[in-house]
Amino acid sequence: AQSVTQLDSQVPVFEEAPVELRCNYSSSVSVYLFWYVQYPNQGLQLLLKYLSGSTLVKGINGFEAEFNKSQTSFHLRKPSVHISDTAEYFCAVRPFEGNKLVFGAGTILRVKS
Amino acid sequence: DGGITQSPKYLFRKEGQNVTLSCEQNLNHDAMYWYRQDPGQGLRLIYYSQIVNDFQKGDIAEGYSVSREKKESFPLTVTSAQKNPTAFYLCASSIARTGGNTGELFFGEGSRLTVL
Repeated sequence: AQSVTQLDSQVPVFEEAPVELRCNYSSSVSVYLFWYVQYPNQGLQLLLKYLSGSTLVKGINGFEAEFNKSQTSFHLRKPSVHISDTAEYFCAVRPFEGNKLVFGAGTILRVKS
Repeated sequence: DGGITQSPKYLFRKEGQNVTLSCEQNLNHDAMYWYRQDPGQGLRLIYYSQIVNDFQKGDIAEGYSVSREKKESFPLTVTSAQKNPTAFYLCASSIARTGGNTGELFFGEGSRLTVL
C-alpha cells in the first residue's frame, strides 16, 4: 500500500517570497508522483507530475518539484509567489501497476500582501 | 470543450433520504472515479470503474452505490446508510492504463452535499 504525508497543513507566506510545500511518501513499489492545486469550491487541477528521468520537474504557474528517491520526497517549490497562488495543494502517488491515486491531506498556501 | 461535468453543484438533503450525484465526461476516458473530500483529510476514494458495467469499491464505499451503464456516465448514490454524508464529492476520469500511460486524473468541479 502507499501513503502520502504532507508535512504542513498550512503555509503562510508574503507575496513575492519563495515557498516550499513538503511531501513525503511511502511505497514498496515504484510510483508516479503528482501535485494538484485546488481553488475554493472547485475541482483539482494538475500542476506537475514525475514519471521518470530528470528529478526536477517543471509545471504550470511557475511551480517546480524535485523527486528525491533516497528520501522518498517530492517537495513543491516556487521562487516568488503571487496572491493568486492562494489555494490548497495536494501531493499524490500512483503505483506503476496500480489503479488508484493516493492523496496526502493537503497543504493550504496563504499568500499575504 | 472536453471535460467532466458534475451536478448539482450544491445539494441539501434531509436525514434518511437517498441522493444521486451526476458525473458525465466527454473525454472518451475508460476509467472513472468518485472521491470524498473532508477538511484536513485529503481525498478518499469511494468507488472506481475501469470499464462499462464494472466497478470496484474504494477505501470508503460503505453507504454509497454506483452504476456504470455508459462509458461517459458514473452516477454516485449516497444512501441513508451513510452515517456522515455531508462532504464535498469529486468525480474524476482517466485514460485506461495501457502502454505505460500514467493514468493522470482529470477532475470535475465537485458537488457539495449538506445533510440537514
